[in-house]
Amino acid sequence: GQNIDQPTEMTATEGAIVQINCTYQTSGFNGLFWYQQHAGEAPTFLSYNVLDGLEEKGRFSSFLSRSKGYSYLLLKELQMKDSASYLCAVRTNTGTASKLTFGTGTRLQVTL
Amino acid sequence: GAGVSQSPSNKVTEKGKDVELRCDPISGHTALYWYRQSLGQGLEFLIYFQGNSAPDKSGLPSDRFSAERTGGSVSTLTIQRTQQEDSAVYLCASSFEDRGRSFYEQYFGPGTRLTVT
Repeated sequence: GQNIDQPTEMTATEGAIVQINCTYQTSGFNGLFWYQQHAGEAPTFLSYNVLDGLEEKGRFSSFLSRSKGYSYLLLKELQMKDSASYLCAVRTNTGTASKLTFGTGTRLQVTL
Repeated sequence: GAGVSQSPSNKVTEKGKDVELRCDPISGHTALYWYRQSLGQGLEFLIYFQGNSAPDKSGLPSDRFSAERTGGSVSTLTIQRTQQEDSAVYLCASSFEDRGRSFYEQYFGPGTRLTVT
């Protein structure tokens, strides 16, 4: 099976930088996704990593180390609207199919 | 439509009743997923449809749960003899999955909030 761990809650100040970590143990790894989910809303895609290294997209960056089973999401210049849950999800191959397994999410609170 | 739609948005039902939840994926998307999210929890995978292949039902929690996808488009998730522990938000997602591509994100619908009383 898959095991995905991320912190339950984090708090950061507007304008600051925050790093949300995700560790995973899985077989058939085929990529890691980060999704953002505001309260009461559906998750929306943020980033995807399948090779080691850093992917940057505006204020958001995501890093992956496959050998360590580790990823992080980096949010820069935090804004109040970034208060949300951030879900780490690992894609695994199951025969001819693939599926995403989600972590429980990290609830980020951005304060003034 | 422009995105994934789900109906109803909210459903309150009595314990023991059957419910049907509907998902309309993005037109042209080959894959469709159902997830369940309980309060304060992550997304729990339920079932996955990809093209004409047999669905991956490995996440269905019991034989009270079933799903079908008609014509490769609309999907219905059915829960028979509902229990209080079935109360959750049921999310549907679709994606265009092509073996020639390495990356395909899932687009989520707004979900159906199911409450079993």
